Amino acid sequence: DAKTTQPPSMDCAEGRAANLPCNHSTISGNEYVYWYRQIHSQGPQYIIHGLKNNETNEMASLIITEDRKSSTLILPHATLRDTAVYYCIVRVSSGGSYIPTFGRGTSLIVHP
Amino acid sequence: DSGVTQTPKHLITATGQRVTLRCSPRSGDLSVYWYQQSLDQGLQFLIHYYNGEERAKGNILERFSAQQFPDLHSELNLSSLELGDSALYFCASSAPRTGANTEAFFGQGTRLTVV
Repeated sequence: DAKTTQPPSMDCAEGRAANLPCNHSTISGNEYVYWYRQIHSQGPQYIIHGLKNNETNEMASLIITEDRKSSTLILPHATLRDTAVYYCIVRVSSGGSYIPTFGRGTSLIVHP
Repeated sequence: DSGVTQTPKHLITATGQRVTLRCSPRSGDLSVYWYQQSLDQGLQFLIHYYNGEERAKGNILERFSAQQFPDLHSELNLSSLELGDSALYFCASSAPRTGANTEAFFGQGTRLTVV
């Protein structure tokens, strides 16, 4: 089962920042938080990941709280093409493997 | 482009039939994961292979099987197909690095329709 909790849906105006929250209160010390997004029926797209420091790349920024129990994905200037389901995941250990395990994610709608 | 290639993109077949879905991972990636996504459902993990060996199983039906070949491509075999097997099937690959925390990259999926 997924170890994260996200709001089922959010909306954002085009050009504004989209801040997507995620709770991962049971995360352990060496587990990374990953964010992916899935644009309607396409393959999930990797966005960013982090351990405890804030991270930024060309797609987004990731803010992780000091206690690591929650994080926020920030799309600084959302566009209509950012409309997608966003998944925050912590990989689940299974028999020595670490499996990307997806919950329901947050459906982000960016409107004009 | 994630670098992960899945074929075919679309597949329509009848109940009771058998199909094979193919996945070519990114160059150098040793891990391959298979997922099923039914209409309006989340991504369900099916199975994980690492360098030719099965490493983890998820909610994979006994009618389904997979393998990873020496050239690291993987195939997912679905047999005795039922209408409920209609879904998107994704594979993902990731690179081996020290520790387990590496990002996975997904293919564009195979849309299977069972009629």
